[in-house]
Amino acid sequence: GENVEQHPSTLSVQEGDSAVIKCTYSDSASNYFPWYKQELGKGPQLIIDIRSNVGEKKDQRIAVTLNKTAKHFSLHITETQPEDSAVYFCAAIGGSSNTGKLIFGQGTTLQVKP
Amino acid sequence: NAGVTQTPKFQVLKTGQSMTLQCAQDMNHNSMYWYRQDPGMGLRLIYYSASEGTTDKGEVPNGYNVSRLNKREFSLRLESAAPSQTSVYFCASSEIDDNEQFFGPGTRLTVL
Repeated sequence: GENVEQHPSTLSVQEGDSAVIKCTYSDSASNYFPWYKQELGKGPQLIIDIRSNVGEKKDQRIAVTLNKTAKHFSLHITETQPEDSAVYFCAAIGGSSNTGKLIFGQGTTLQVKP
Repeated sequence: NAGVTQTPKFQVLKTGQSMTLQCAQDMNHNSMYWYRQDPGMGLRLIYYSASEGTTDKGEVPNGYNVSRLNKREFSLRLESAAPSQTSVYFCASSEIDDNEQFFGPGTRLTVL
């Protein structure tokens, strides 16, 4: 089955700096890769997603890149702000053994220092 | 729209007790999911329902049962709670199974 590894587990940056979180997946048939943000005491919320027919997607300060050959995808946050502090999860779906099973990475705790 | 709602928000059980976690969505979604979240392990799928009337096991189904009561509601039952089931439980829904999933606020369960 699919396996998703996420790094780093914690990340601390200064306000205004960029942050990058990386994930690798094991099933080359996976075709949908969402990123979720979870604030303290809340459920995860989708912030950006990418499908396997696209290499990069951007939404304001957030971008995601996908390298299908290497089976990894990354989240890039530019000009970080204190409100970006949260736990971020990558996920993958659509593998060869999949029918709707979203597999999550372990999460990255991002701290943005003012 | 309330989105995805879960009850209760908090629950403490003794080992061996049973309980049902309730989940409802008002977005007319076909697919619904139950996850558990443990420190350092992300979210792991317990059970999901691709459509009304169907359910299937996820990564960690042992010790749980589910019921897709109708299109809106998907409940998770612990028949005999164990301390290893102490976790935060999230329900989610999506229009179809490879689209954005919308999560509820979670239920924090402690089993003593």
